[in-house]
Amino acid sequence: DAGITQSPRYKITETGRQVTLMCHQTWSHSYMFWYRQDLGHGLRLIYYSAAADITDKGEVSDGYVVSRSKTENFPLTLESATRSQTSVYFCASIGNGLQEAFFGQGTRLTVV
Amino acid sequence: QQQVKQSPQSLIVQKGGIPIINCAYENTAFDYFPWYQQFPGKGPALLIAIRPDVSEKKEGRFTISFNKSAKQFSLHIMDSQPGDSATYFCAASTYYGGSQGNLIFGKGTKLSVKP
Repeated sequence: DAGITQSPRYKITETGRQVTLMCHQTWSHSYMFWYRQDLGHGLRLIYYSAAADITDKGEVSDGYVVSRSKTENFPLTLESATRSQTSVYFCASIGNGLQEAFFGQGTRLTVV
Repeated sequence: QQQVKQSPQSLIVQKGGIPIINCAYENTAFDYFPWYQQFPGKGPALLIAIRPDVSEKKEGRFTISFNKSAKQFSLHIMDSQPGDSATYFCAASTYYGGSQGNLIFGKGTKLSVKP
């Protein structure tokens, strides 16, 4: 199916553990993004990528790592999860020449 | 830090009313101003967008008004329906430059339309 998919949809992890959130898009869009959504803060940019092997930090990147070895995948890793990283995470993509961002369904992450 | 300020945080209107959500931005390099609609448990989806060369854009019951000199834009929903109940986010981005496509979002407005 065409689109952008995130996995898992829900995740509970313990403080200090490493956890990876997956994002896959089927359009070959150049630009991909990770946002976190928290009540009262809206959507805040964590990392973005303009193409494979090109990534850059967003507003709230501390404690997160990304990679993009293939155009279609953009995993987000929390190196050592903290309770403050409990949030809903959204992946998005934008195609070249376009400005509409397409969002995944989100991953609800709880750090206990 | 680039910012987009959105108000109000929440809004309750009766069916048929015209809710208005306002946003203000700082960076004059922004050249694309979309509104996203988000239903509970779903990702945001593009509703309507405007560029700064026009002052108004309508798509169905949704209208964006844009004031370039004031650096403000707003969303109007005509004849609002209970199905419009959702969270609305304004955003801004620049098309050119290294951060192409980076959407800077407002904090969102939770709209409830009462039957």
